[in-house]
Amino acid sequence: DAKTTQPNSMESNEEEPVHLPCNHSTISGTDYIHWYRQLPSQGPEYVIHGLTSNVNNRMASLAIAEDRKSSTLILHRATLRDAAVYYCILRDVGTYKYIFGTGTRLKVLA
Amino acid sequence: NAGVMQNPRHLVRRRGQEARLRCSPMKGHSHVYWYRQLPEEGLKFMVYLQKENIIDESGMPKERFSAEFPKEGPSILRIQQVVRGDSAAYFCASSPPHGSEAFFGQGTRLTVV
Repeated sequence: DAKTTQPNSMESNEEEPVHLPCNHSTISGTDYIHWYRQLPSQGPEYVIHGLTSNVNNRMASLAIAEDRKSSTLILHRATLRDAAVYYCILRDVGTYKYIFGTGTRLKVLA
Repeated sequence: NAGVMQNPRHLVRRRGQEARLRCSPMKGHSHVYWYRQLPEEGLKFMVYLQKENIIDESGMPKERFSAEFPKEGPSILRIQQVVRGDSAAYFCASSPPHGSEAFFGQGTRLTVV
């Protein structure tokens, strides 16, 4: 299973954009990049996913490097409710299995 | 459409008892996954099931743990003769047959005393 590397923690001020990086240098051509987040005492929540092109949805944007060896989750305006652990996961479409790393703990300052 | 439902949310068992955790997938989802999360750690894959079949149980401990997803009813994760080290949050996720993203339940927090 391809591995991802994320910073252990990050801080952001409320109302400001947040860029959460993820390195995945061993990504294969069939691996999708998924992002989930886990709020305290809750189950993981789907955020966004993509393959090659940048993706936008109501929650966030996903910027994928041209060589696909890294990606960045962008929260356009952080709120206190965005404080969570964010997981970057590579998932081959054929395996159906998510391998969670340790994620990035995002702290949002009021 | 209700989300993935897990029950109970909290479960306390004495050492040596059995724990049964239930997961009802979202409507139309035939794939179920179980994960375990120890305090302050990430989620660890345990097992992947489709209706009436175990597809991948590579993350399941070899003894005391079993999972099923019958034709009718919820998926069940069963832990026999629980020990203190089984204390953790157990999460279930489901996805449709050809879906990409999985949706997680709120988890069952098992405490073994």
